[in-house]
Amino acid sequence: AQTVTQSQPEMSVQEAETVTLSCTYDTSESNYYLFWYKQPPSRQMILVIRQEAYKQQNATENRFSVNFQKAAKSFSLKISDSQLGDTAMYFCARSSGYALNFGKGTSLLVTP
Amino acid sequence: DTGVSQNPRHKITKRGQNVTFRCDPISEHNRLYWYRQTLGQGPEFLTYFQNEAQLEKSRLLSDRFSAERPKGSFSTLEIQRTEQGDSAMYLCASSTTTGGDSGRTHWYNEQFFGPGTRLTVL
Repeated sequence: AQTVTQSQPEMSVQEAETVTLSCTYDTSESNYYLFWYKQPPSRQMILVIRQEAYKQQNATENRFSVNFQKAAKSFSLKISDSQLGDTAMYFCARSSGYALNFGKGTSLLVTP
Repeated sequence: DTGVSQNPRHKITKRGQNVTFRCDPISEHNRLYWYRQTLGQGPEFLTYFQNEAQLEKSRLLSDRFSAERPKGSFSTLEIQRTEQGDSAMYLCASSTTTGGDSGRTHWYNEQFFGPGTRLTVL
């Protein structure tokens, strides 16, 4: 059973605008990692950003940032200044030992 | 290209046949992972190797599935007596083991994914 939930199957945003993708998760661990992966159409998955649960500061990578709410078990991804190349499936994932436990994904379409 | 490679990229087979997929990780990576991704779902973990040792297997990995990494480099995933429910994208990923703070378990190193092998069972 999936323990990572992405409640938005599809989203659309106009170029240069900001969009936020939601993710919630279950865990009984005190130390774990959270990730957002991007899977462009017919291309392989790449890591966008990661967050270590013991760090309170939200991770940022250029136009990508997260809002990590540990108590609420929430981990949203904000994409600023959206670009056409951001069109892709976005997967939220949580570490489970050395493996990754993924959500079902959010399909993001960036329109001109 | 120094990324993770997988072969074949596509495989069509008839139910009941055996299939084998290959994954070549990034050369200095000693951890290798297999995932399965069905339509509309995120990848699901199947198994993981550190060097040649298979250290973790998901309950998704039925007796018909076997994975090997004989020399700690490339890995193969074999599915025997394929069923239509085996149709999926099979993803391989690799990572290093270096880095991290001492005393913390499960230090995470980025998993680099290959392009996947798409299996269709008719």
